[in-house]
Amino acid sequence: EAGVAQSPRYKIIEKRQSVAFWCNPISGHATLYWYQQILGQGPKLLIQFQNNGVVDDSQLPKDRFSAERLKGVDSTLKIQPAKLEDSAVYLCASKSQGEGAGTQYFGPGTRLLVL
Amino acid sequence: AQSVTQLGSHVSVSEGALVLLRCNYSSSVPPYLFWYVQYPNQGLQLLLKYTSAATLVKGINGFEAEFKKSETSFHLTKPSAHMSDAAEYFCAVSDWVNAGGYQKVTFGTGTKLQVIP
Repeated sequence: EAGVAQSPRYKIIEKRQSVAFWCNPISGHATLYWYQQILGQGPKLLIQFQNNGVVDDSQLPKDRFSAERLKGVDSTLKIQPAKLEDSAVYLCASKSQGEGAGTQYFGPGTRLLVL
Repeated sequence: AQSVTQLGSHVSVSEGALVLLRCNYSSSVPPYLFWYVQYPNQGLQLLLKYTSAATLVKGINGFEAEFKKSETSFHLTKPSAHMSDAAEYFCAVSDWVNAGGYQKVTFGTGTKLQVIP
């Protein structure tokens, strides 16, 4: 079974530029998560999708961050414009709806550096 | 609101020594609890999970954790540390959000384990 795929793996941009990250979850997984992991901290949930609908985006800075999950499969996370404090690893995870205990499967992450 | 506290951001043990990583949680209902491991430049990988069955949970790579409701703890242990165990470990709690009908996962801040040869 293929794992969660993310691209790019690394990205360096200047502040005020825009950037987009892509995630392809495990086939058949209905739930998709985007997390922000700042160096030295645990992952912080940005947005959670159930199929192609948003169930939780309470911690997403909506003035600059946006995310979509077209057709309930792939997802993109966009930052526009980027700030220095957005430098972090952006993790995508997915979960099967049948797994009641909530095991999440994580991708390798995209490491973003904003200069 | 649920929360997770991991005591000790850095833990050092000698190779072959006992590993003990501490995790305390707060939750209004019996939760699901998880330990994940993260190696450098990689995503998180599930070590083990508690789902209200046995309170002693065995995971991969020789790790285990015990759910203690009275202490609201879910500490991770391994009898004998190996060099390959050097990584960052995250405890997480998952609760149902009744109003939304979905599970919300909250992670701790992580504990970086160093294994000294």
